[in-house]
Amino acid sequence: GIQVEQSPPDLILQEGANSTLRCNFSDSVNNLQWFHQNPWGQLINLFYIPSGTKQNGRLSATTVATERYSLLYISSSQTTDSGVYFCAVEGQGAQKLVFGQGTRLTINP
Amino acid sequence: KAGVTQTPRYLIKTRGQQVTLSCSPISGHRSVSWYQQTPGQGLQFLFEYFSETQRNKGNFPGRFSGRQFSNSRSEMNVSTLELGDSALYLCASSFWGRTIMGEQFFGPGTRLTVL
Repeated sequence: GIQVEQSPPDLILQEGANSTLRCNFSDSVNNLQWFHQNPWGQLINLFYIPSGTKQNGRLSATTVATERYSLLYISSSQTTDSGVYFCAVEGQGAQKLVFGQGTRLTINP
Repeated sequence: KAGVTQTPRYLIKTRGQQVTLSCSPISGHRSVSWYQQTPGQGLQFLFEYFSETQRNKGNFPGRFSGRQFSNSRSEMNVSTLELGDSALYLCASSFWGRTIMGEQFFGPGTRLTVL
């Protein structure tokens, strides 16, 4: 099945810094989503981005489907951005999401 | 529009018991998927239902089962609980297009502890 790798596994930054999270996947995908898991465990949708670039405030994402990777950018980080970020993909015909192991982001004041 | 809801939010059971978890999808969504999250294995797909039919199942033992009702609400059941079943169980719903899954939206989860 499709493999998803996220890097880095952990990232510690100061408030105000910018960060880039990467997601590599091993095969063609129909769907790619980025999530932020809040402290209570709920997955919050950030982007639905099987290809192209999207922006939402301080967050943006780019997926280059032909090269099988996606990037999540967080600018001017705030302490509330802390948490685990997941990338998840749906392989072609798969009817399910396969998740990466996540990147744990810690923003210090 | 209300989001995905899951009940109960927390559950404590003992080994050998069985448990039923419930999920109500976003109105209009006909696909419901279940995922298990553990520290060791991460987020893993359990099964997916569309129009009361299980279309896909992950690599879990037969103790894990589910169903979907005509109103798209779904339940999952775990029988003969084991300690390793302690996990956060997440439900997701999506509005399926003709051939692709579409964006998935997750509920708050049910945290199951097996003692």
